[in-house]
Amino acid sequence: DAGITQSPRHKVTETGTPVTLRCHQTENHRYMYWYRQDPGHGLRLIHYSYGVKDTDKGEVSDGYSVSRSKTEDFLLTLESATSSQTSVYFCAASQGSYEQYFGPGTRLTVT
Amino acid sequence: QKEVEQNSGPLSVPEGAIASLNCTYSDRGSQSFFWYRQYSGKSPELIMSIYSNGDKEDGRFTAQLNKASQYVSLLIRDSQPSDSATYLCAVNDSGGSNYKLTFGKGTLLTVNP
Repeated sequence: DAGITQSPRHKVTETGTPVTLRCHQTENHRYMYWYRQDPGHGLRLIHYSYGVKDTDKGEVSDGYSVSRSKTEDFLLTLESATSSQTSVYFCAASQGSYEQYFGPGTRLTVT
Repeated sequence: QKEVEQNSGPLSVPEGAIASLNCTYSDRGSQSFFWYRQYSGKSPELIMSIYSNGDKEDGRFTAQLNKASQYVSLLIRDSQPSDSATYLCAVNDSGGSNYKLTFGKGTLLTVNP
């Protein structure tokens, strides 16, 4: 157990509404990552953080923003949700190595 | 664009057999390689890491790495129905820092009783 939780675990929202997903970790991991997983695409990196207030884009960052104001929390925001953002979102964390540990995931449906 | 390729499967093996999962990668500078297991509806779980050419064994699992051929494999001996899952291969991005990984799309393994 890597001490990573995600909330909410399930969410249904309407197109055009903002949505924020939360990742919380208790192991003081410096690096945190947000992925989305879709059939036929696998896991794709959205954004990542390498420290408090230090974030950068991944390969599928359009339409998403992130914030990390505390070591333990990494927030992913969909500024105006679209149906193409229906997906399963995973948070992961690492302690300065390539071994990443995943949270339980959030299933998001945009109608 | 760094790529990690896996056969999507499904790979079906009988209980007790050896399951062989394969992965190729495009980033010649990669040095760290991982296998994750993902049960349906669950999150990926790290089960093996390998950093040097050759074999690494952990219980019923053996990871094999050949950097010259850019090839990683996972062998599961004495396969059990509980091994039925999707197996993801992950490779480090050598071009930068921040410990990013590129994942393959996964191979679905089914072990039949």
